[in-house]
Amino acid sequence: KNEVEQSPQNLTAQEGEFITINCSYSVGISALHWLQQHPGGGIVSLFMLSSGKKKHGRLIATINIQEKHSSLHITASHPRDSAVYICAVRLLDAGGTSYGKLTFGQGTILTVHP
Amino acid sequence: DTGVSQNPRHKITKRGQNVTFRCDPISEHNRLYWYRQTLGQGPEFLTYFQNEAQLEKSRLLSDRFSAERPKGSFSTLEIQRTEQGDSAMYLCASSFPLSGVVTDTQYFGPGTRLTVL
Repeated sequence: KNEVEQSPQNLTAQEGEFITINCSYSVGISALHWLQQHPGGGIVSLFMLSSGKKKHGRLIATINIQEKHSSLHITASHPRDSAVYICAVRLLDAGGTSYGKLTFGQGTILTVHP
Repeated sequence: DTGVSQNPRHKITKRGQNVTFRCDPISEHNRLYWYRQTLGQGPEFLTYFQNEAQLEKSRLLSDRFSAERPKGSFSTLEIQRTEQGDSAMYLCASSFPLSGVVTDTQYFGPGTRLTVL
C-alpha cells in the first residue's frame, strides 16, 4: 500500500463545476504539499500545509492531521485548470525528524471541458 | 530566467549506453533533489543534496546511478549501462529551507525525458 493515496485517479468536469480531489496518508508527516503538473512535465507548487486551510484565488486546500487527510478544492473550474494534481508529504522518521524528501501520491488527472 | 533549469530536455539512447543529466538550481538554494517519474505515476525520490553533501539516497538508486554536486551549485545525475526500465522523466528540484521552518517549498525544473531503446 502506498504511503500517499489520492482519489479519484481521473476526474472529468464541466466548466464552472466545483471540484474536490482527496489525499490520504498513512504515516506521520511534517507538511503536505499540493502540486500541479501540466503536460510536458513542469511541476508548480500550489500549497504547503501543516494544519488548517489555505486559499489562493479559486483554489482551497484543507488538511485534517488527526484523520490524515487533505482535500484540494477548485471553485468555478475552467478548462485551463486541466492538469495533473499531485499530493506530496514530508514524512517524519521514528524520532520525529522531518525527512528532506517528498513522498508523492500517484496524481489525479483533471480534465475540465468548456 | 531564474528558475531551475535542466539539460537536456530530451534524451534518446540505446540500451547499454551511459547518459548524464545536469540540473542548475535557483542560485541561492542550498538543497537540491532528484526525482524520477514514470508515465501515469507520481514522482519518486532518488537522492538529495544539502550544499555539496549527498544526504540521502533511495534504494531505487542502483549502482548504475550516481549523482554529484561538486561545488554545491549545479548537480549531475549519471546513469551507466542504461536499461529500458530507466526510461522516465528525471526531475530536479531545489529549495532553501529557513531556520525553524518545518518544511520548505521545492521549485521544480522542467525535467529531462529519457527514452532507452
